Amino acid sequence: DARVTQTPRHKVTEMGQEVTMRCQPILGHNTVFWYRQTMMQGLELLAYFRNRAPLDDSGMPKDRFSAEMPDATLATLKIQPSEPRDSAVYFCASAFFRVDTEAFFGQGTRLTVV
Amino acid sequence: AQSVSQHNHHVILSEAASLELGCNYSYGGTVNLFWYVQYPGQHLQLLLKYFSGDPLVKGIKGFEAEFIKSKFSFNLRKPSVQWSDTAEYFCAVTPPASGTYKYIFGTGTRLKVLA
Repeated sequence: DARVTQTPRHKVTEMGQEVTMRCQPILGHNTVFWYRQTMMQGLELLAYFRNRAPLDDSGMPKDRFSAEMPDATLATLKIQPSEPRDSAVYFCASAFFRVDTEAFFGQGTRLTVV
Repeated sequence: AQSVSQHNHHVILSEAASLELGCNYSYGGTVNLFWYVQYPGQHLQLLLKYFSGDPLVKGIKGFEAEFIKSKFSFNLRKPSVQWSDTAEYFCAVTPPASGTYKYIFGTGTRLKVLA
């Protein structure tokens, strides 16, 4: 059963600390998305990659957020330093880029910054 | 700004009532359209999708959606809802072909079905 795996599922951290969220896309998928979900903003696209190259990270606060794909099986989203306003659920999704592609979502990382 | 709009933020229905959730987008050209569902505490799952062909699309769990190009709409429908349909529903669009295929989501509609 192919699925997108995200770790950790929950993270509580203190303001100012570094947070790293990880995502393992579905094997063979060449596109990875990072979304942030909050009550106020809904689902915001933070960044996405195709074939490990960043295509668009315009939705991401550049001063504290960074996203990378060290290899085809791992995507990371890092926040340094974290702030309380970063508290949200962060979803990773993957897809195989073609005309009829659909995105498959992971279970999300619920981040709480206190 | 180009966007995806879901006008109903909260909907409360009784079981067996009919459901229609609105979705409008502002992108011109050819778009791909999706409806995702998020059950409480879970991740997003695909309900149905439209790429081309018959504008009436049938998805899982008895859901369907109709693409009306002239109205830039892709409304979700279900003739008779069940308590288990309580969830949040998201409309999504991949903007016109530009090689990017990024998914832009609406703000979601929270559906509560009363038993």
